Amino acid sequence: DTAVSQTPKYLVTQMGNDKSIKCEQNLGHDTMYWYKQDSKKFLKIMFSYNNKELIINETVPNRFSPKSPDKAHLNLHINSLELGDSAVYFCASSQDPGGSTQYFGPGTRLTVL
Amino acid sequence: GENVEQHPSTLSVQEGDSAVIKCTYSDSASNYFPWYKQELGKGPQLIIDIRSNVGEKKDQRIAVTLNKTAKHFSLHITETQPEDSAVYFCAASHTGNQFYFGTGTSLTVIP
Repeated sequence: DTAVSQTPKYLVTQMGNDKSIKCEQNLGHDTMYWYKQDSKKFLKIMFSYNNKELIINETVPNRFSPKSPDKAHLNLHINSLELGDSAVYFCASSQDPGGSTQYFGPGTRLTVL
Repeated sequence: GENVEQHPSTLSVQEGDSAVIKCTYSDSASNYFPWYKQELGKGPQLIIDIRSNVGEKKDQRIAVTLNKTAKHFSLHITETQPEDSAVYFCAASHTGNQFYFGTGTSLTVIP
């Protein structure tokens, strides 16, 4: 069983479009995260939710909007896509914020043309 | 906030040799230090972690050491194998706070 899953794995789209990435975890964790990894491999946190409540919201353009319908899901919606949004996006989960192991999904490679 | 620095950014070793990756952190409140391995096309995966009440932890060929006074921790891989080739990330956090990741080390093990 996949612990943290993301769909789609690849996403190719035109500038200006709106797209969503879905994430699900079956570990029973309370905390979920979205990270962006650029071409230099830097892992940058974007958002974190604990028990469906937003607890971390780093300096991310408001074109990015996370939504957590329940503790097992954290989706990422991106409006008006730009070239600079091209990256790999990782979802992760942990039992609690900060003090326990994070489990990462396989990533979604977003390419904006 | 926390600042985690990681060195070196790239590391090449001969198969069978040891590899050491070092990280420093700035926030003395940090008490959890995981190490992640990221293989090509995959998400980061935890390989070992250490908490601030422990100075060293070992798991087969992998070990992590922590010096709280100097605020640095290191990953040691002995008897390296080609399958150890990957990008390695260190991170620091404390309960209730976010994780802060290092900038990654690309390790290449030459057969």
